Amino acid sequence: QVQLVESGGGLVKPEGSLRLSCAASGFTFSDYYMSWIRQAPGKGLEWVSYISSSGSTIYYADSMKGRFTISRDNAKNSLYLQMNSLRAEDTAVYYCARDRNWGHFDYWGQGTLVTVSS
Amino acid sequence: QSALTQPASVSGSPGQSITISCTGTSSDVGGYTYVSWFQQHPGKAPKLMIYDVSHRPSGISHRFSGSKSGNTASLTISGLQAEDEADYYCSSYTSSSTLVFGGGTKLTVL
Repeated sequence: QVQLVESGGGLVKPEGSLRLSCAASGFTFSDYYMSWIRQAPGKGLEWVSYISSSGSTIYYADSMKGRFTISRDNAKNSLYLQMNSLRAEDTAVYYCARDRNWGHFDYWGQGTLVTVSS
Repeated sequence: QSALTQPASVSGSPGQSITISCTGTSSDVGGYTYVSWFQQHPGKAPKLMIYDVSHRPSGISHRFSGSKSGNTASLTISGLQAEDEADYYCSSYTSSSTLVFGGGTKLTVL
């Protein structure tokens, strides 16, 4: 069965960095687009970034551009999100999702909490 | 990119039908068929209910249906059940090659 398991969340100071990982199993990872979506505590969903199956095409939400970097390692069935220059407003649960096509997120991970605080 | 506009809350009694609207612009909802709807119960990951405006993923009840008219997409839930009580979010592809979500709607089953 399809499984997505995020890891790497935790407490980080403002201006710090964190790298999130998403381990995929149960499907041919290299065949699928992937996305990161986040949700601040008590707030709605916010799309973060998209990466194509080969990794050649990448898109970011404007507020993350220049600070976040999405990548993937198809040999390791893993998706990553490198987050730099973190701000308090980046505090959220970060989900990875299998992306069939622009919002067609058919499988989600359980999420990993990132807290940015001094 | 501004969030899509959804009502903050809707409610209905068991067995009734409700509709949640999702209003955007011609640069997102009105311009593309990439509109999805997600259900989220407290403390859980979102679940895909509708994709590409009106398509149901395998395993999703026929009580859930989606449609679009102009810049507004809608999710209709018929035969409301207690387990439908949750938060619902719409999303849409945008002309900037990004994705935007709605602010979310809390559905209460009375």
